[in-house]
Amino acid sequence: DAKTTQPPSMDCAEGRAANLPCNHSTISGNEYVYWYRQIHSQGPQYIIHGLKNNETNEMASLIITEDRKSSTLILPHATLRDTAVYYCIVRESPFYGQNFVFGPGTRLSVLP
Amino acid sequence: NAGVTQTPKFRVLKTGQSMTLLCAQDMNHEYMYWYRQDPGMGLRLIHYSVGEGTTAKGEVPDGYNVSRLKKQNFLLGLESAAPSQTSVYFCASSLLNTQYFGPGTRLTVL
Repeated sequence: DAKTTQPPSMDCAEGRAANLPCNHSTISGNEYVYWYRQIHSQGPQYIIHGLKNNETNEMASLIITEDRKSSTLILPHATLRDTAVYYCIVRESPFYGQNFVFGPGTRLSVLP
Repeated sequence: NAGVTQTPKFRVLKTGQSMTLLCAQDMNHEYMYWYRQDPGMGLRLIHYSVGEGTTAKGEVPDGYNVSRLKKQNFLLGLESAAPSQTSVYFCASSLLNTQYFGPGTRLTVL
């Protein structure tokens, strides 16, 4: 599986967009980019995933560069409840039972 | 739907004691997983199952056993607990692309 690199922490002002970067320079053609988040002490929560096109859902947008070597998760209007650790994961899809490798992620702090 | 539930939420064990953690899902998912998370670290896969009656080792399987006798349940057993197994344990299930996680079990081994 491709390795991902994320900044250890970021701050964002409440109401502003939070842009979380992820580098995955060794990604292969059949690997997807997934984003999960973990709010303190809770189980990780799925946010979004994509292959090459930009994706948007009710929670966030995912922007993947044309060469697919990096991506950005965008929370358009961050709230205090978005304070969490955000994990970028690269994995084939569908994955027939294999695990996701959760690295240390980015700790996002949304400030009032 | 309750999603993924875990029992118990908290437990304190003495070294050498045994216990079983129960994970249940009502989404008819084929795949189920057990992870552990230690302070300040990401999740590490202990064991997983690709269907009823099947199990496989993950990244850190030593000291744990699992069983998947029913599709909706995935049990994690500690036969002889050690302080190194103090952790938060998360169960997850998935169909294809997305894993759904339970709320976690906080286990302390004294």
